[in-house]
Amino acid sequence: AQSVTQLDSQVPVFEEAPVELRCNYSSSVSVYLFWYVQYPNQGLQLLLKYLSGSTLVESINGFEAEFNKSQTSFHLRKPSVHISDTAEYFCAVSVLSGGYQKVTFGTGTKLQVIP
Amino acid sequence: ETGVTQSPTHLIKTRGQQVTLRCSSQSGHNTVSWYQQALGQGPQFIFQYYREEENGRGNFPPRFSGLQFPNYSSELNVNALELDDSALYLCASSQDTGGVKTQYFGPGTRLLVL
Repeated sequence: AQSVTQLDSQVPVFEEAPVELRCNYSSSVSVYLFWYVQYPNQGLQLLLKYLSGSTLVESINGFEAEFNKSQTSFHLRKPSVHISDTAEYFCAVSVLSGGYQKVTFGTGTKLQVIP
Repeated sequence: ETGVTQSPTHLIKTRGQQVTLRCSSQSGHNTVSWYQQALGQGPQFIFQYYREEENGRGNFPPRFSGLQFPNYSSELNVNALELDDSALYLCASSQDTGGVKTQYFGPGTRLLVL
């Protein structure tokens, strides 16, 4: 079975400062990795994903994540955060199992951007 | 292209009652998955439907059941509601073309069981 660990439940950071949200996973089979963002009282929005190919993936709003197989990590980074980035971020691991795609989410990290 | 929609947005029920939540998948998507997100937690997989059949299930009891219709919309039914069923229920749709799929989520239905 796979699992996802987001060690930081809350990360406060000043506006325009860099941020890293950590995600580690465990799995005995090949994984596909996702980051989702959830704004208050809303559903999940896909931020970025790693399926194959380049281990560095980027989103349209400046976030990036790097798949590190040896460290089983998929940390999310942004060089300069904005107030509008305040939200909860979920890392998710997906495996193909028994004919369907099984997705496991972490417990989330709340990013609070301080003006 | 319309996104994933869910109804109702909010719902209040009492313990022991039954509830039905609805989801319309994104245009062109044939697979629907349901998740339960308790307060302060990440979403937990309930089950997945593909071509009107359940083809994957998480650790949820049989009183959680579902349906998928020919137009790929879906329902989640929960019988004998318990207080711990209070949560945000998320529906996600994807297009199964073989291999890994990207899931797109709806806004969720917030269920409160009193």
